[in-house]
Amino acid sequence: SQQGEEDPQALSIQEGENATMNCSYKTSINNLQWYRQNSGRGLVHLILIRSNEREKHSGRLRVTLDTSKKSSSLLITASRAADTASYFCATFDPSGSEKLVFGKGTKLTVNP
Amino acid sequence: DTEVTQTPKHLVMGMTNKKSLKCEQHMGHRAMYWYKQKAKKPPELMFVYSYEKLSINESVPSRFSPECPNSSLLNLHLHALQPEDSALYLCASSQEAAVNYGYTFGSGTRLTVV
Repeated sequence: SQQGEEDPQALSIQEGENATMNCSYKTSINNLQWYRQNSGRGLVHLILIRSNEREKHSGRLRVTLDTSKKSSSLLITASRAADTASYFCATFDPSGSEKLVFGKGTKLTVNP
Repeated sequence: DTEVTQTPKHLVMGMTNKKSLKCEQHMGHRAMYWYKQKAKKPPELMFVYSYEKLSINESVPSRFSPECPNSSLLNLHLHALQPEDSALYLCASSQEAAVNYGYTFGSGTRLTVV
């Protein structure tokens, strides 16, 4: 069962612009993770934000978490063509802590 | 070594074939996972191994048989698959099968069943 839902499903921007992707989830969480997937290959772990954190940075990535609204956002600043990928949020299934469940993903296209 | 290695990268098999997918990590991770991903869909969990023991089977058909020979290796044995089983199969590992760790994924095996 899906816990997270990303929005938008697809996003197309120009190089240098910022890209914002949102994730909403349904139940309480211990943490929320963001992953990137290039061209149907393996996923790359980007950031893990814990439920007691509100914001986290990693390079050009900024993740926020609002547990009252059950939502998270991923901001990529100064985007590059190499950022073109699908981005997924993931949370652990509330019924089983070992089950990491992925949202449907946002497909980001950065045009040069 | 911070990678999860999956072999083969591509596999085409007939419905009567038996084949195996392999996954290896040398990060000392004690949890390993198999995910299945269809085109334009998110990965879906199939199996979880924790300390070399199967802890979760997401009601996967018996034509998929996982095996964890040791803490570094994870196999997925395939037998009598159907064309609808064609997908990207992803292996992942994490330090523990617990809620505080991110996963390291392999590049996947692109499986086509003909």
